[in-house]
Amino acid sequence: DTAVSQTPKYLVTQMGNDKSIKCEQNLGHDTMYWYKQDSKKFLKIMFSYNNKELIINETVPNRFSPKSPDKAHLNLHINSLELGDSAVYFCASSARTSGSPYEQYFGPGTRLTVT
Amino acid sequence: SQQGEEDPQALSIQEGENATMNCSYKTSINNLQWYRQNSGRGLVHLILIRSNEREKHSGRLRVTLDTSKKSSSLLITASRAADTASYFCAWAQTGANNLFFGTGTRLTVIP
Repeated sequence: DTAVSQTPKYLVTQMGNDKSIKCEQNLGHDTMYWYKQDSKKFLKIMFSYNNKELIINETVPNRFSPKSPDKAHLNLHINSLELGDSAVYFCASSARTSGSPYEQYFGPGTRLTVT
Repeated sequence: SQQGEEDPQALSIQEGENATMNCSYKTSINNLQWYRQNSGRGLVHLILIRSNEREKHSGRLRVTLDTSKKSSSLLITASRAADTASYFCAWAQTGANNLFFGTGTRLTVIP
């Protein structure tokens, strides 16, 4: 069974559109993350939720809005897509036993291409 | 910048050789982790070393941590073609809730 799943795997859309990426984990973890990996493979945290509560919100345009309906799901909605949003977006989860993040489990990624 | 660096950026070796990758970071940390990313896939956790540890082993992997130099290294012994991937270090900065990732090393193991 897939531990962290994302849909869709590929997303091609035009500038100005609104799109969503869904993430689900079946590991029973309390914390979920969204990362963006650019064309140079640099991985940067965007958001983190712990038990449905937003705990990290890095400098990300407010066109990006995460939503966590329950602790097993963390979705990412993007409004008014721009060319610079093209990247691979990864969802991840971890079991936080203290304040420090421990090992994270990553989804397969969603490759977003904005034309 | 909280971004660290890894070197080399790319490494190409023959099967059976050892591969060493280095990671440098800039802050105090609670732990440091190494991840592997195969082409077109998500990251897979390999090993975690705590700030009070200096060396850790897992199978063919050996990780060292020098907090005084703010650096870590990952050694893969007796490499295999299946080890071909990008390797990332990630550190848990003291007081922060998330990991910060290095720039990655692209390893190619030639059969």
